[in-house]
Amino acid sequence: KAGVTQTPRYLIKTRGQQVTLSCSPISGHRSVSWYQQTPGQGLQFLFEYFSETQRNKGNFPGRFSGRQFSNSRSEMNVSTLELGDSALYLCASSPGTSGGAGYTQYFGPGTRLTVL
Amino acid sequence: QKEVEQDPGPLSVPEGAIVSLNCTYSNSAFQYFMWYRQYSRKGPELLMYTYSSGNKEDGRFTAQVDKSSKYISLFIRDSQPSDSATYLCAKNGNQFYFGTGTSLTVIP
Repeated sequence: KAGVTQTPRYLIKTRGQQVTLSCSPISGHRSVSWYQQTPGQGLQFLFEYFSETQRNKGNFPGRFSGRQFSNSRSEMNVSTLELGDSALYLCASSPGTSGGAGYTQYFGPGTRLTVL
Repeated sequence: QKEVEQDPGPLSVPEGAIVSLNCTYSNSAFQYFMWYRQYSRKGPELLMYTYSSGNKEDGRFTAQVDKSSKYISLFIRDSQPSDSATYLCAKNGNQFYFGTGTSLTVIP
């Protein structure tokens, strides 16, 4: 079974631009979560989508948004990029939601975003 | 208080040593615990998961959960240089909660 795929793998943008990242979950998985990982902060939860509905949201500004499509693929958008948005953005998929019994997450390789 | 707190390390051990990685958690409402391994510039890879308390063994790796002390541990026996990575503990809940990671270096 193919794993979680993320595109693009690397991205360089300038301040003020916007960016869209894409994630394809493992086949059959309906939950997709997004995380931001930086050396100082570790993994920080952005949001979780399940069956096209945002189920949970972390403590990030409204510049960070996401959506999930009917085939469970998900996109994350960051508008008005700031230097501090430079990070590894990770997508993770799970068969069920985070509070459900027996569900764990499987991560993609991440998109490394650099904001200049 | 964070849902999951992890010893930050870094940890450096000689090849063949037994490694102990530790986390604590605060909310007992959800009981699935996970360990991930992350190599530099890669996404985290699920190593093991356990439910509730007790031990789970997989090769050289043993995951242990102590509900009474809210303690999560990962033991690595006969550590190898290829085990050098950052290890993240996690648990489920309203979202998945992750520790900040412990960097491990196994010296040949």
